[in-house]
Amino acid sequence: AQSVTQLDSQVPVFEEAPVELRCNYSSSVSVYLFWYVQYPNQGLQLLLKYLSGSTLVKGINGFEAEFNKSQTSFHLRKPSVHISDTAEYFCAVIGRLNTGFQKLVFGTGTRLLVSP
Amino acid sequence: GAGVSQSPSNKVTEKGKDVELRCDPISGHTALYWYRQSLGQGLEFLIYFQGNSAPDKSGLPSDRFSAERTGGSVSTLTIQRTQQEDSAVYLCASSSNQGITGELFFGEGSRLTVL
Repeated sequence: AQSVTQLDSQVPVFEEAPVELRCNYSSSVSVYLFWYVQYPNQGLQLLLKYLSGSTLVKGINGFEAEFNKSQTSFHLRKPSVHISDTAEYFCAVIGRLNTGFQKLVFGTGTRLLVSP
Repeated sequence: GAGVSQSPSNKVTEKGKDVELRCDPISGHTALYWYRQSLGQGLEFLIYFQGNSAPDKSGLPSDRFSAERTGGSVSTLTIQRTQQEDSAVYLCASSSNQGITGELFFGEGSRLTVL
């Protein structure tokens, strides 16, 4: 089974400052990793995903994340945030197995609050 | 449809009543998922459908919860004899495959409040 830990429930940051949202996972098998974003009063949408290849993945709206297998982490970063980035961010993991259904397991979310 | 549609968007009910939540996935998506989002709890997996069958019901919290999917499309999540701890946002998602490497498309959710 897999699990995801997002230690920061809320991250306040000023506009144009850099931000890092932390995500650590636990799994006995290789994994695929995802970040989803939920804007106020909207459904979740995929921000970026790591399946294979380069450990640095880029997503929408200038976000990027780096897969670190040794540290079992997949932290999300943005060099300069905007007010419009205010949202809840969820890290998610799924086991890389070829048989059976593997459910997408989510962390508890990190609320990013960007202020002017 | 263009996106995943869920209804009702908001439901307030009294303890002990039954509720039905509906999900209309993206046309052609064979996989459908129900998750529950509670404050501070993240997203909790409830059930997964591939077509009309549910290979994984492991997340349903009790036998008061059931779900069905008909015609490989619309799904209904039913909660019988609702309790206050059932209050949450119920999210539905669909994908074009089993979602192993694909993207899940989420609806905006049904917010359930049990008084």
